[in-house]
Amino acid sequence: GAVVSQHPSWVICKSGTSVKIECRSLDFQATTMFWYRQFPKQSLMLMATSNEGSKATYEQGVEKDKFLINHASLTLSTLTVTSAHPEDSSFYICSAQVRQHQPQHFGDGTRLSIL
Amino acid sequence: GQQVMQIPQYQHVQEGEDFTTYCNSSTTLSNIQWYKQRPGGHPVFLIQLVKSGEVKKQKRLTFQFGEAKKNSSLHITATQTTDVGTYFCAVNAGGTSYGKLTFGQGTILTVHP
Repeated sequence: GAVVSQHPSWVICKSGTSVKIECRSLDFQATTMFWYRQFPKQSLMLMATSNEGSKATYEQGVEKDKFLINHASLTLSTLTVTSAHPEDSSFYICSAQVRQHQPQHFGDGTRLSIL
Repeated sequence: GQQVMQIPQYQHVQEGEDFTTYCNSSTTLSNIQWYKQRPGGHPVFLIQLVKSGEVKKQKRLTFQFGEAKKNSSLHITATQTTDVGTYFCAVNAGGTSYGKLTFGQGTILTVHP
């Protein structure tokens, strides 16, 4: 149980393109979903916390207009990287949580490469 | 929010040797979680420790939570090549943070056959 699906797994696109990443909890309802960014051989950096039906809470230094998060249902959250540039290239991972202080279940991640 | 320091950053061992990674906090933690991330993969939850002095085992993995709930360790006995990956500890940020986690820097484990 507790499977989280993230799509797409790999994106290569031109600078200026907007990219949407989906995160779905397949067999449970997630009250909260999280979006992380990870650079090679580094830790996970939390970008934002997403709760169904409310605005996402962004971490300090994360541009909310650049990284749009929508949490339309208890099983789906989306991250849109708007007008992506090469510096946005990274590994983006989502996670979902059933209840506060319970383990987070991670998606497979999305490798984003902006040319 | 809660901060946690994790050491070492890298660990290279020969297959069969033991491995330990440590996490330390300057403040008392409500709980601590451990995750493993295989190369190219995503973090996978291993365990959560809640009680002071708690020790939990999963086959060759032993997890400890300090008496003061400020530190924790993960010990692997007789490593195997399948243990390769990055091990992260993670702590709850606290307050009204909806359960968000702060991850340690991670320890990258390499096992030489």
